[in-house]
Amino acid sequence: GNSVTQMEGPVTLSEEAFLTINCTYTATGYPSLFWYVQYPGEGLQLLLKATKADDKGSNKGFEATYRKETTSFHLEKGSVQVSDSAVYFCALQNTGANSKLTFGKGITLSVRP
Amino acid sequence: GAVVSQHPSRVICKSGTSVKIECRSLDFQATTMFWYRQFPKQSLMLMATSNEGSKATYEQGVEKDKFLINHASLTLSTLTVTSAHPEDSSFYICSASPPIVDTQYFGPGTRLTVL
Repeated sequence: GNSVTQMEGPVTLSEEAFLTINCTYTATGYPSLFWYVQYPGEGLQLLLKATKADDKGSNKGFEATYRKETTSFHLEKGSVQVSDSAVYFCALQNTGANSKLTFGKGITLSVRP
Repeated sequence: GAVVSQHPSRVICKSGTSVKIECRSLDFQATTMFWYRQFPKQSLMLMATSNEGSKATYEQGVEKDKFLINHASLTLSTLTVTSAHPEDSSFYICSASPPIVDTQYFGPGTRLTVL
């Protein structure tokens, strides 16, 4: 079955530091990959996605590249801000509209001024 | 675009009562909606897939008689927690997808506390 593994957290960084959050997956076929962000007290928001191998998703300075050979979708940002403090979830979805999402456990990022 | 709302955002109820949570897609029609449960500091667990006009599909281990799901229209799905108990206290989140689109849009969640 499908599974998503995220690095253990929490992660605490100083403002303007470089961020990497690791995500690896196991899936049948060729899934789409997502990063969702959950700010305190709010629901999940789609941060970025990639639908096929070697695609790079990007948004708000965050990037992630779909690596089929290493089954990874690591999230990176060159310079984090305090406002990036949130919980980040990696997820995969098999192809086909309305397919189920499989989430990783999520990781809490705290950015201090 | 692609806004999903949930109501209420928070609810506190007594043990043994039933609670209904609404999920609405505000600017698109959703033939499929999903209901998740999130425990503190944990990931989202898919409870069921709600299909407009038909019965919901429940994940293994989720009691369909306890968590009643109704998807009466293309913009509304409801989750009713029947005879709630303290162990049902959790954060419930819904999501919806426009037709033929593989991206799910999430509601803001409902915090249920059962006393």
